Amino acid sequence: QQQVKQSPQSLIVQKGGISIINCAYENTAFDYFPWYQQFPGKGPALLIAIRPDVSEKKEGRFTISFNKSAKQFSLHIMDSQPGDSATYFCAARAGFQKLVFGTGTRLLVSP
Amino acid sequence: DTAVSQTPKYLVTQMGNDKSIKCEQNLGHDTMYWYKQDSKKFLKIMFSYNNKELIINETVPNRFSPKSPDKAHLNLHINSLELGDSAVYFCASSQPGRDSPLHFGNGTRLTVT
Repeated sequence: QQQVKQSPQSLIVQKGGISIINCAYENTAFDYFPWYQQFPGKGPALLIAIRPDVSEKKEGRFTISFNKSAKQFSLHIMDSQPGDSATYFCAARAGFQKLVFGTGTRLLVSP
Repeated sequence: DTAVSQTPKYLVTQMGNDKSIKCEQNLGHDTMYWYKQDSKKFLKIMFSYNNKELIINETVPNRFSPKSPDKAHLNLHINSLELGDSAVYFCASSQPGRDSPLHFGNGTRLTVT
């Protein structure tokens, strides 16, 4: 119940395309859903986050879509760029409990 | 002006040795963490300290012992290193708020031979 399932494991997208990463959860107590971006040799960094009272949040080319009834949320990267090539982690937290991370998606944006 | 800094960046050692990783944050955060990232990139929380008090202690072998001398520092000591301990260890910090982001260091790559 504490798991967050993330897919795909890896993704190759052409420059200018849309990258889509999906996550699903079971724990209905989760109330905070962030996405972290990790470049090689660096630690993960917060990219964008959403709470379940909204269905979508957009920041620049990055959008989180949230489906509370399906217990799913996804990250969309519009106009993907080679500089977006990184590993992306979805995560979830219930209240003040620990953050639970998904298994990560390695994104490669080809020039 | 590194926010969360870890030393060393790389650590290569033999099985059975004892080693330490140091972490310091200058963000004024109250909570610090140790995460382990394995070769498949899975991120797993190990420990969390809030104001020098241990608040999360996941199922981690007791060969791993965290120590927080003050709220800006959280060190990780590992006894009797095993091959399976090879991983990247990340220190992180955050403020106590529910939506407060984690700020990660750049990791320490531990290789046990």
